[in-house]
Amino acid sequence: DAEITQSPRHKITETGRQVTLACHQTWNHNNMFWYRQDLGHGLRLIHYSYGVQDTNKGEVSDGYSVSRSNTEDLPLTLESAASSQTSVYFCASSRGVWETQYFGPGTRLLVL
Amino acid sequence: DQQVKQNSPSLSVQEGRISILNCDYTNSMFDYFLWYKKYPAEGPTFLISISSIKDKNEDGRFTVFLNKSAKHLSLHIVPSQPGDSAVYFCAAHSPKAMNNNAGNMLTFGGGTRLMVKP
Repeated sequence: DAEITQSPRHKITETGRQVTLACHQTWNHNNMFWYRQDLGHGLRLIHYSYGVQDTNKGEVSDGYSVSRSNTEDLPLTLESAASSQTSVYFCASSRGVWETQYFGPGTRLLVL
Repeated sequence: DQQVKQNSPSLSVQEGRISILNCDYTNSMFDYFLWYKKYPAEGPTFLISISSIKDKNEDGRFTVFLNKSAKHLSLHIVPSQPGDSAVYFCAAHSPKAMNNNAGNMLTFGGGTRLMVKP
């Protein structure tokens, strides 16, 4: 069955370190998204991509970057982790306009 | 400024009764609305949606109502079951993303934690 996976599921890192969270989907979806979930804020869009070599900034993109070298993967990089980036991160994908977004299981990141 | 708001962070309902979850939005350009359900340690899953050209959409025990003039939508669950206990997020889609010939982009509310008591 097609799916969307995230790794690692849990990560503890130190302030200032670079961290990369992986997202992989096997639906061959064009659109991929990264969100963070924080109490009281719901899900906020970090970055998104509408296809290979396409990346766009979302609502809370500062301190994060993404790259899209193939259809299946959209890794999220925290260039210099900060305590404010402690959160749960969700990756999602969708086929196209009006299509439902399918979410991965999430990565819980703790920045000490 | 949050464009999509869920003003009730939590809701407790007795099994068999109706659960009503509310969502308000401010952007009149939103034209498609979705509800997602999220269990602990899992990603959100799509539940039900409604287009702005409709005022009601029903799927089994779940019904979504849209009041465009009030910029308000609600999710009704009848009858509520203990397995419905989860966090529910409403989300809104803007057509501007469509006009850019790009994929969908959603703005989410803060979520409401529903607890259905046996």
